[in-house]
Amino acid sequence: LAKTTQPISMDSYEGQEVNITCSHNNIATNDYITWYQQFPSQGPRFIIQGYKTKVTNEVASLFIPADRKSSTLSLPRVSLSDTAVYYCLVGDWSKAAGNKLTFGGGTRVLVKP
Amino acid sequence: EADIYQTPRYLVIGTGKKITLECSQTMGHDKMYWYQQDPGMELHLIHYSYGVNSTEKGDLSSESTVSRIRTEHFPLTLESARPSHTSQYLCASSELGGGKNIQYFGAGTRLSVL
Repeated sequence: LAKTTQPISMDSYEGQEVNITCSHNNIATNDYITWYQQFPSQGPRFIIQGYKTKVTNEVASLFIPADRKSSTLSLPRVSLSDTAVYYCLVGDWSKAAGNKLTFGGGTRVLVKP
Repeated sequence: EADIYQTPRYLVIGTGKKITLECSQTMGHDKMYWYQQDPGMELHLIHYSYGVNSTEKGDLSSESTVSRIRTEHFPLTLESARPSHTSQYLCASSELGGGKNIQYFGAGTRLSVL
């Protein structure tokens, strides 16, 4: 699985947009980029997944440049309830050997009033 | 919301006891996983399964064992619990095949071994 690097923590305020960038310089051709959110004492929850360009859903947007060596998760107009740890994962899970997820340290996002 | 359930949510036991953490999913997913996570720390994969009668060890060595007799059920057992086993245990499942492998997690079991 491609190694990922993301900031340890970020602070924001309610109503602001939060952008978390993840670096994955060794991403392979068949790798997907997936983001999860985890609240304290809960399991991670899938947020968004993409392969290239931009993906948007009701929760977030994911921006992936042409070289795919990084990706940015964008959370629009955050609220206090968006305080959580956000994980970036990269991998080709179509292969039997790659059907695992490796979670790094994630980014702790604190939303302040 | 994902339909994956873990019981118990919290467990406090004494050293040497045998315990089984339950995990069930109603989504018909072939793949299931167990992760271990200490407070504020990373998740580590300890076991996974591709389907019935399939079990594999994950990246983090664990003294626990798992079984997969039914598609929907993936219990984790500790034969003799020790204080070093104190942690949160998270179960997850996903569909088999395809490149996306979105995993759905349960709420976890927080285990304390005294």
